[in-house]
Amino acid sequence: SQQGEEDPQALSIQEGENATMNCSYKTSINNLQWYRQNSGRGLVHLILIRSNEREKHSGRLRVTLDTSKKSSSLLITASRAADTASYFCATADNAGGTSYGKLTFGQGTILTVHP
Amino acid sequence: GAVVSQHPSRVICKSGTSVKIECRSLDFQATTMFWYRQFPKQSLMLMATSNEGSKATYEQGVEKDKFLINHASLTLSTLTVTSAHPEDSSFYICSARDPLLLGGEVTEAFFGQGTRLTVV
Repeated sequence: SQQGEEDPQALSIQEGENATMNCSYKTSINNLQWYRQNSGRGLVHLILIRSNEREKHSGRLRVTLDTSKKSSSLLITASRAADTASYFCATADNAGGTSYGKLTFGQGTILTVHP
Repeated sequence: GAVVSQHPSRVICKSGTSVKIECRSLDFQATTMFWYRQFPKQSLMLMATSNEGSKATYEQGVEKDKFLINHASLTLSTLTVTSAHPEDSSFYICSARDPLLLGGEVTEAFFGQGTRLTVV
């Protein structure tokens, strides 16, 4: 079953605007990660936030984590047409054993930034 | 970051044939690799965990006899779709972690470019 539920499923904005995507999860986590996927391509890691962190920045990206609500948000500021992609949150299985490290992905948000 | 190479990027095959997809870690050794399947505009669904030198661990509902996984070396895992049918058409993606980055914490994964399989 999907660990993460994301909203919105699709987001369409103009260049220069900010884009906010939300993710919820169900179990306890060690960290939460955000990935980007261009159409028909593999995923690229964007940012990781640990369970003891509340906010993290990387360039135009800002991620927040609320473990009490089991939710996270990804904010992309001053968006560009090149930011057009699908964005996924992911949580890791820390249970150990042979499946250690597998990621469970949210449903994803398809972001379209119009020039 | 570490590089994972997946080949081929696209393949078209006839129903009933088998297709092999390769996933290589180019600059690190990966004892564990993961295989995902993705349908259009949907999320990634984990199919199996590939473990070097041992049997793969399949997720519930994934037919291990249909999706054969071999992880014979620390840099190569292969996924073979046997007796392919049109419903197997999908986007398959592998990922791996650099174990030197682990340190007990599950850190970022590096993904291959994906393989678009079309069965006709």
